[in-house]
Amino acid sequence: QSVLTQPPSASGTPGQSVTISCSGSSSSIGSNVVNWYQQVPGTAPKLLIYTNDQRPSGVPDRFSGSKSGTSASLAISGLQSEDEADYFCSTWDDSLVGVVFGGGTKLTVL
Amino acid sequence: QVQLVQSGAEVKEPGSSVKVSCKASGGSFNSYAFAWVRQAPGRGLEWMGGIVPIFGTTDYAQNFQGRLTITADESTTTTSVDLSSLRTEDTAVYYCANVIFEKRGPTVTKLYFDFWGQGTLVTVSS
Repeated sequence: QSVLTQPPSASGTPGQSVTISCSGSSSSIGSNVVNWYQQVPGTAPKLLIYTNDQRPSGVPDRFSGSKSGTSASLAISGLQSEDEADYFCSTWDDSLVGVVFGGGTKLTVL
Repeated sequence: QVQLVQSGAEVKEPGSSVKVSCKASGGSFNSYAFAWVRQAPGRGLEWMGGIVPIFGTTDYAQNFQGRLTITADESTTTTSVDLSSLRTEDTAVYYCANVIFEKRGPTVTKLYFDFWGQGTLVTVSS
């Protein structure tokens, strides 16, 4: 069982918007910055959002992140077929003294 | 930007050890910090630990205490993870990643993995 809780799946049709949630605790998300990674099956994870809401160079602005209290969210607008992937949230946990990940959300573009 | 290339797949017997390497290029080795993350088949990501080569400091996840050693060699610009007393549940893809870390006073303002190796499959089976 993962320290951060994500829905196992999400879906949408091309052009739609979807939001993926990530729930933690006061010692994890409540106290630290949150990152999001995208992983196409069979490939290495790719940094999608860092420090709650920052996009690395090359990541489309269709992807946005936010954090409030002990939860964080990843929003994807204008869904495209290439967005079909697994998405993981991550942060530091002060109690566990380590990096923790969510269990991942499999996004399907119908 | 850093490029990370990992060693090839391994098949190991339970109780043995495995060493996975990750060669970094594209910058000054001592300016980097590295993390190791693994992913069991069909499962999520699990942070194992990290190393800051310039300080020689390491950090390990509690789950691996005593079985895990992470090293860095400036002469070969390589970081490695050595996992002992292997169990079937250690079967996973092992990734190295470059760590970006920034702290202002007591607050961590940046902690993320910006570039990843291609992954190394380690299979533990008798």
